[in-house]
Amino acid sequence: GAVVSQHPSWVICKSGTSVKIECRSLDFQATTMFWYRQFPKQSLMLMATSNEGSKATYEQGVEKDKFLINHASLTLSTLTVTSAHPEDSSFYICSSSGTTYEQYFGPGTRLTVT
Amino acid sequence: QKEVEQDPGPLSVPEGAIVSLNCTYSNSAFQYFMWYRQYSRKGPELLMYTYSSGNKEDGRFTAQVDKSSKYISLFIRDSQPSDSATYLCAMNDQAGTALIFGKGTTLSVSS
Repeated sequence: GAVVSQHPSWVICKSGTSVKIECRSLDFQATTMFWYRQFPKQSLMLMATSNEGSKATYEQGVEKDKFLINHASLTLSTLTVTSAHPEDSSFYICSSSGTTYEQYFGPGTRLTVT
Repeated sequence: QKEVEQDPGPLSVPEGAIVSLNCTYSNSAFQYFMWYRQYSRKGPELLMYTYSSGNKEDGRFTAQVDKSSKYISLFIRDSQPSDSATYLCAMNDQAGTALIFGKGTTLSVSS
C-alpha cells in the first residue's frame, strides 16, 4: 500500500504555544488529505478535509482558527494547533486519498500539552 | 441511529481460531468499504477494501459485503497473536471523500 508519513511522531509543548504537524504522501499524489483526532479507546473523529490548493473544509464543532490546515502541494499537508491547551492533547492522524478510492493513514502524532 | 455500528468487543480467541468481525450501516449510498487494523498508538493500516457487494480474499483475510442487508464482515482464518489489534470498518459513498468509521472492535488472540 501507499506510504504516508507524519512528523513529529510525538510532541510535548507548553500551554499557549503553537505546534505544526506535517503529513506527507511519499509515493503518490494525494489530491485530498484528511485530518483526524483520536482519544484513547475511541474511534477516529474527522476534523477537516483539505484539497490541494484550496481552503480546508472543517467539520462542525472544529475551530478553524485554532486548527490551521494548509495543503500546499499534492504531497504535503500541515496541521497547526494554535495556542494549544491541555484539552488539545490527543492523537492526530492524517490520511491521503489519490485517484483511487483507497485511503492510507499516517502513523499519527501524539500531542501532549502541559 | 449511528451511520455505522460496530461491536467494540473486546473479543478474545485462542490462536488458530476463525474470527468474524462485523459492521452494519444505515446509508444505502455507501459503496466503498474498507477494513483497517490499528495497533496501539499507531495509525490505521489498510487491510482490505471492496467496492459494492461481494467477497474479497487476501491470504488469511476475507471481506464480505452484503449491500441488501447493509452488512459487512471481515473473517480472519488461523488467527495469530500478532493479529491482536483494533479492527475498524470504514465506508463512504464516493471515492476521495471522508470515510465514516465504526467504533472499532478490539481483538485479542492468545497463544
